[in-house]
Amino acid sequence: GESVGLHLPTLSVQEGDNSIINCAYSNSASDYFIWYKQESGKGPQFIIDIRSNMDKRQGQRVTVLLNKTVKHLSLQIAATQPGDSAVYFCAENIRGSQGNLIFGKGTKLSVKP
Amino acid sequence: KAGVTQTPRYLIKTRGQQVTLSCSPISGHRSVSWYQQTPGQGLQFLFEYFSETQRNKGNFPGRFSGRQFSNSRSEMNVSTLELGDSALYLCASSLAEGGANEKLFFGSGTQLSVL
Repeated sequence: GESVGLHLPTLSVQEGDNSIINCAYSNSASDYFIWYKQESGKGPQFIIDIRSNMDKRQGQRVTVLLNKTVKHLSLQIAATQPGDSAVYFCAENIRGSQGNLIFGKGTKLSVKP
Repeated sequence: KAGVTQTPRYLIKTRGQQVTLSCSPISGHRSVSWYQQTPGQGLQFLFEYFSETQRNKGNFPGRFSGRQFSNSRSEMNVSTLELGDSALYLCASSLAEGGANEKLFFGSGTQLSVL
């Protein structure tokens, strides 16, 4: 089965609000985590990544938090915009398995104007 | 810099046929990975190539195979197609230098329909 799962399959937010997408992973050997955004008809697009030696990483309007104690990952999107509507995937990479990302099922984010 | 290019964009095949999909990675990227995406199973890893060698392989039957050329371009082949092979096949590339895990850059995929 999947070693990476998502708590919420769908998330609907109002434009301008903050969004939080959660993800759980089960493999303690995972040392690299990535969030991807996939819009309809396109391939996954890189958003932000974090290595296991970090707890938090910030990008433009996005923040990823990693809690290794409970094996939990979250993506926070500030001031969510209609263009953020997409399916978001978390993925983990087990140490030494280059190119092999294990993906969660995905969360569909819908932004209401 | 051009992104990952996959051809063809769409394919329709019948059961029992075989298919070859092509992927051109980002210039300078030497690692190419292939994924299968279906609504029921999500994104599943097929295999990864680096410098023309298969370095990692997922849990797919032997009907799924791939190769990488000296210019890092890659192809994957599926023989004896089954209805369940209908999926979006995604290719991703990365630098993958020094063995460190790095982010993958994905193409738009090839949508394969098996009738």
